[in-house]
Amino acid sequence: QVKLQESGPGLLRPSETLSLTCTVSGVSTDYYGTWVRQPPGKGLEWIGYIYSSGTIKYNPSLKSRVTISMGTSKNQFSLKLKSVTAADTAVYYCARLGGSPLNWFDPWGQGTLVTVSS
Amino acid sequence: QSVLTQPPSVSAAPGQRVTISCSGSNSNIGKTYVSWYQQLPGAAPKLVVHDDNGRPSGIPDRISGSKSGTTATLDITGLQPGDEAEYYCVTWDLSLGSFVFGSGTKVTVL
Repeated sequence: QVKLQESGPGLLRPSETLSLTCTVSGVSTDYYGTWVRQPPGKGLEWIGYIYSSGTIKYNPSLKSRVTISMGTSKNQFSLKLKSVTAADTAVYYCARLGGSPLNWFDPWGQGTLVTVSS
Repeated sequence: QSVLTQPPSVSAAPGQRVTISCSGSNSNIGKTYVSWYQQLPGAAPKLVVHDDNGRPSGIPDRISGSKSGTTATLDITGLQPGDEAEYYCVTWDLSLGSFVFGSGTKVTVL
């Protein structure tokens, strides 16, 4: 059974860099990992994905500030979002991305709330 | 404003049917697969339909997906109180080079 779990700081100051890690269990082959965020009371926004063998794709609207990377053991992938503002306050989810072509997100982590406030 | 348009809310009595539309264009829904997610209050989204009309293991057959042209549809029949949630569609947009989510639809069981 595949499981994902987000971890990282929950409170940031404006201009700091958001850094989150997603730990994946139950996956024995290469996989696509992805990040999605949801501001409080609002809808879902795709951030980007990474393939465990290296392919990376970002949402064009966030591309200038986002870096997604794979851990050396390939059971973790990470998100960095630089120069955060209050608009980046959201629940951040990681998920496995699947399908051919890619089209579904399953399963999801429980999510972690990141608040940006001075 | 979302690339994919969903109605903000739909409602029906227990046992009845609701239909949620997700309207896009030929740069997304018209050419790529759509998946659907149920998000209960305070919980992470859960996949309920993949590849336009595929049903993951454990999802009841009263939940189904379909697509015609640039509009995808999620049907829930035999509505139950536990179906009360926010539902989102998502697909890849070929022009944007990005996954795009619908704005979400709140299902209320009367």
